Amino acid sequence: DVKVTQSSRYLVKRTGEKVFLECVQDMDHENMFWYRQDPGLGLRLIYFSYDVKMKEKGDIPEGYSVSREKKERFSLILESASTNQTSMYLCASSSGDLSETQYFGPGTRLLVL
Amino acid sequence: SQQGEEDPQALSIQEGENATMNCSYKTSINNLQWYRQNSGRGLVHLILIRSNEREKHSGRLRVTLDTSKKSSSLLITASRAADTASYFCATDAINTGKLIFGQGTTLQVKP
Repeated sequence: DVKVTQSSRYLVKRTGEKVFLECVQDMDHENMFWYRQDPGLGLRLIYFSYDVKMKEKGDIPEGYSVSREKKERFSLILESASTNQTSMYLCASSSGDLSETQYFGPGTRLLVL
Repeated sequence: SQQGEEDPQALSIQEGENATMNCSYKTSINNLQWYRQNSGRGLVHLILIRSNEREKHSGRLRVTLDTSKKSSSLLITASRAADTASYFCATDAINTGKLIFGQGTTLQVKP
């Protein structure tokens, strides 16, 4: 079975802090994704990566950056956390075309105070 | 604008009844997928149906796709309390190939 893990289930940070969210997948998938999920707004794509060291902006990249130094690991970085970044963050991975089945991690619920 | 939109937004049924959720989309697609999300958890893939397929089954799940109407339905038969979750459809954006998720249908199955 595909396993996608995220470094934290719950995280509380203060405004202005630099925040790292890590995601690891164990199925040698080329593609990895970061979404945020907010009530009434559904899932929105922040960034994705289709290969090591490759990254592409999603629909809402502002205030975020990503890093993919190894195939299995995709990190989301909040350079200076703000209260409007309080959200549920979901990581996913897939193989092949970007439109193929995605496998999700359990999510990180981030609260920025 | 969203590619896929689910209907209804919320559904409440008794255990043993069937649940039907619908998804409409705007542009041509290569495939359409359904995912389930239990409260506070990640999404779990349920079923993928390609544009040249009309119906697909998986256990108690039945998915139909009507490309002429740009719509899909997910039927859960003989529902159980454990089916209580949010259900999302996802379609691929024709220009970028990325998945776009709808806002989901929240299903409550009462025991």
